[in-house]
Amino acid sequence: SSELTQDPAVSVALGQTVRITCQGDSLRSWYATWYQQKPGQAPLLVIYGKNNRPSGIPDRFSGSTSGNTASLTITGAQAEDEADYYCNSRDSSGNHYVFGTGTKVTVL
Amino acid sequence: QVQLVESGGGVVLPGRSLRLSCAASGFTFDTFGMHWVRQAPGKGLEWVAVTWYDGSNTYYADAVKGRFTISRDNSKNTLYLQIDSLRVEDTAVYYCARGGYSNGWRYFDYWGQGTLVTVSS
Repeated sequence: SSELTQDPAVSVALGQTVRITCQGDSLRSWYATWYQQKPGQAPLLVIYGKNNRPSGIPDRFSGSTSGNTASLTITGAQAEDEADYYCNSRDSSGNHYVFGTGTKVTVL
Repeated sequence: QVQLVESGGGVVLPGRSLRLSCAASGFTFDTFGMHWVRQAPGKGLEWVAVTWYDGSNTYYADAVKGRFTISRDNSKNTLYLQIDSLRVEDTAVYYCARGGYSNGWRYFDYWGQGTLVTVSS
């Protein structure tokens, strides 16, 4: 299966740490990439590869993988981190891609 | 700076066809794979298709295979998505995205703002 499953929603208190998980068989072969999407905006790449951040992404965002589960951690969440987050991976063929179901993060 | 600008969306009748375009600038277009990703209203992201940097290979999501055709014109720095036999369930914002790569990792590093396709009678 090429499905990637995420929790629909999580909440975090301002300044605290939140972890968003993504589960799927393809994650045993390929690293997940993570995207942030705010209402009315295009997605934004926040993590790729083992744990790499594009230029301009704050270092409070980090990624990790264990077995078939990838995680995105926001350490010291800020109000501007409130958004939908999607994981993505290649499938077993390596030629197709699949997005996770998405997680809505609310910063309290 | 990298820019991707989609166009071609609109309201179309079921069964009709539509061609979306994505004009790219700010990078060497013919050295990057390019993707289409769509998002139905209120729903999550769905990967649609990819074309390699030279157009030599294309791959599609099962949901669109046979009806969608991705192509590119490297002389015009433009990506296309031909959508045939449109269905109500094709209603979505369609994004083009650049296929970034490093160390064997692949990702969507730049995105356009999207173009809305509404299929309705």
